[in-house]
Amino acid sequence: RKEVEQDPGPFNVPEGATVAFNCTYSNSASQSFFWYRQDCRKEPKLLMSVYSSGNEDGRFTAQLNRASQYISLLIRDSKLSDSATYLCVVNGRGNQGGKLIFGQGTELSVKP
Amino acid sequence: DADVTQTPRNRITKTGKRIMLECSQTKGHDRMYWYRQDPGLGLQLIYYSFDVKDINKGEISDGYSVSRQAQAKFSLSLESAIPNQTALYFCATSGGQGVTDTQYFGPGTRLTVL
Repeated sequence: RKEVEQDPGPFNVPEGATVAFNCTYSNSASQSFFWYRQDCRKEPKLLMSVYSSGNEDGRFTAQLNRASQYISLLIRDSKLSDSATYLCVVNGRGNQGGKLIFGQGTELSVKP
Repeated sequence: DADVTQTPRNRITKTGKRIMLECSQTKGHDRMYWYRQDPGLGLQLIYYSFDVKDINKGEISDGYSVSRQAQAKFSLSLESAIPNQTALYFCATSGGQGVTDTQYFGPGTRLTVL
């Protein structure tokens, strides 16, 4: 089983749609969680961190369920510019605190 | 100027050749990483370094070696390149805030081994 698994894509949605991505992780000791965005095989960039209480940044909402080892990303009112691959990322703890484990990514295509 | 730079950006080479990919950063970060990305797969960690004297193997270190020449420089070598090392390679840095560490990536090197 992969350490971080994401919904298989691609997701094709019209502008204005709401879309949700799901992610599960296998290491219950993981302490930090992130969503990164990657455009057209360019470098990944941090989209947002994910906190236990859930957090929102404009149209983006991230949720964490530690009991189920599940992370989600909700995008409301999708824009054409949201088209990208979204990477679920989990961090270890202790000596591995700096290592990130990446999911395979979910591709989003927003159409006019 | 970009904070994390990689050279070369693209490279085509032949099986058996030695290749070095270089990464430099101006962010003043102690931690540096090398990843490879293959189509349909997530980024896989090759090697990482938490400071100049620290080198650690990642998930897929076989066939690769690294050198941390200075805080700002971290090089990845393929001693004898093989076709299944064809991939997109990313260098990344982080400031070492612990479990909330954000990583900053270079633009990537697209390597093709024929």
